[in-house]
Amino acid sequence: SQKIEQNSEALNIQEGKTATLTCNYTNYSPAYLQWYRQDPGRGPVFLLLIRENEKEKRKERLKVTFDTTLKQSLFHITASQPADSATYLCALDGDSSASKIIFGSGTRLSIRP
Amino acid sequence: DAGVIQSPRHEVTEMGQEVTLRCKPISGHNSLFWYRQTMMRGLELLIYFNNNVPIDDSGMPEDRFSAKMPNASFSTLKIQPSEPRDSAVYFCASGGTVYNEQFFGPGTRLTVL
Repeated sequence: SQKIEQNSEALNIQEGKTATLTCNYTNYSPAYLQWYRQDPGRGPVFLLLIRENEKEKRKERLKVTFDTTLKQSLFHITASQPADSATYLCALDGDSSASKIIFGSGTRLSIRP
Repeated sequence: DAGVIQSPRHEVTEMGQEVTLRCKPISGHNSLFWYRQTMMRGLELLIYFNNNVPIDDSGMPEDRFSAKMPNASFSTLKIQPSEPRDSAVYFCASGGTVYNEQFFGPGTRLTVL
């Protein structure tokens, strides 16, 4: 069955540095991959989507890469700020249906001033 | 647009009682998803609908759980009878594009005593 792995350990980064989060997957070749942000007590918020034929996508200070050979996506936040502190989840389209989205467990990111 | 609306925001009930959670998706979105989130298991997909029709309910944990979508603007998730292990945050999300970016509601925090 599909498996999505995100670093379960929290990531602590100094303000101004680049934060890099990893999402690995197995047993599947997704057509696209999504990244979400979740703040405590709130629902996840969609950030970026990258398709299988795209290697890189950018949005303001965010950059996502998608390596279908390594079965890995990297999520970068450049010039990180304390306000970027949150849990970040990656998600893939389900193999049985493109309508079904499977989420990783998320990585908690803390940006210290 | 008000986004996805869920009610109630908090629910505290006693074991054995019936619980009904409600969701109003974003107007125009064709897909609706119910998720459950706990610290131990992360974000789990319970069931999703396309054009008001249940497509995949394989994530529904037991027969005690049921979901309906009588029209495009309303869905319910019912637990009968509820048990303490059902305590979690339940999210409703809607998606409307080809890539099904998920728009989450604020969630219902359910506590079963």
